Amino acid sequence: DAKTTQPPSMDCAEGRAANLPCNHSTISGNEYVYWYRQIHSQGPQYIIHGLKNNETNEMASLIITEDRKSSTLILPHATLRDTAVYYCIVRATGTASKLTFGTGTRLQVTL
Amino acid sequence: NAGVTQTPKFRILKIGQSMTLQCTQDMNHNYMYWYRQDPGMGLKLIYYSVGAGITDKGEVPNGYNVSRSTTEDFPLRLELAAPSQTSVYFCASSSLGFQETQYFGPGTRLLVL
Repeated sequence: DAKTTQPPSMDCAEGRAANLPCNHSTISGNEYVYWYRQIHSQGPQYIIHGLKNNETNEMASLIITEDRKSSTLILPHATLRDTAVYYCIVRATGTASKLTFGTGTRLQVTL
Repeated sequence: NAGVTQTPKFRILKIGQSMTLQCTQDMNHNYMYWYRQDPGMGLKLIYYSVGAGITDKGEVPNGYNVSRSTTEDFPLRLELAAPSQTSVYFCASSSLGFQETQYFGPGTRLLVL
């Protein structure tokens, strides 16, 4: 699976959009981009995933560049409860391909 | 649905002791996983199972054993606890495979002294 690079930490004011970047320059054509988050030592929580088209769900939006070498997770109106570590994971389809968690980005949402 | 449940929440072990971490899911998922997370680090896969009676090693299986006798349960066994096994352990499940969304339990915090 391709390796990802994320900034170690970011701050965001409550109510503003949080834009979390992820670089995955060695991504292959059959690899998806997944985002999970982990709130204060709880179990990780799935957020969203995509292949090449932008995706949106009730939690967030995922913007993938046309060359697929980077992506951005967008939390449109961050709240204090969004303070967490966010993991960007790139993995191929197929049952043998595992989730590989790096160290992620620690997002701190402030008043 | 309760989702994925884990017991105990916290345990202190002495070196050389044994214990079993319990994991149960009520979503009828075929795939189940055990991860460990050391402080400040990401999760590492210990073992996984693709169905009852089938298990396989992940990245860091040494010192652990698993079994999968039912769809619902996937216990993790530590036979001879070592300080290096001090960690937080997460169990997860998914419906069709690794590419499906994984649902995680709340974790078991283990301290080996």
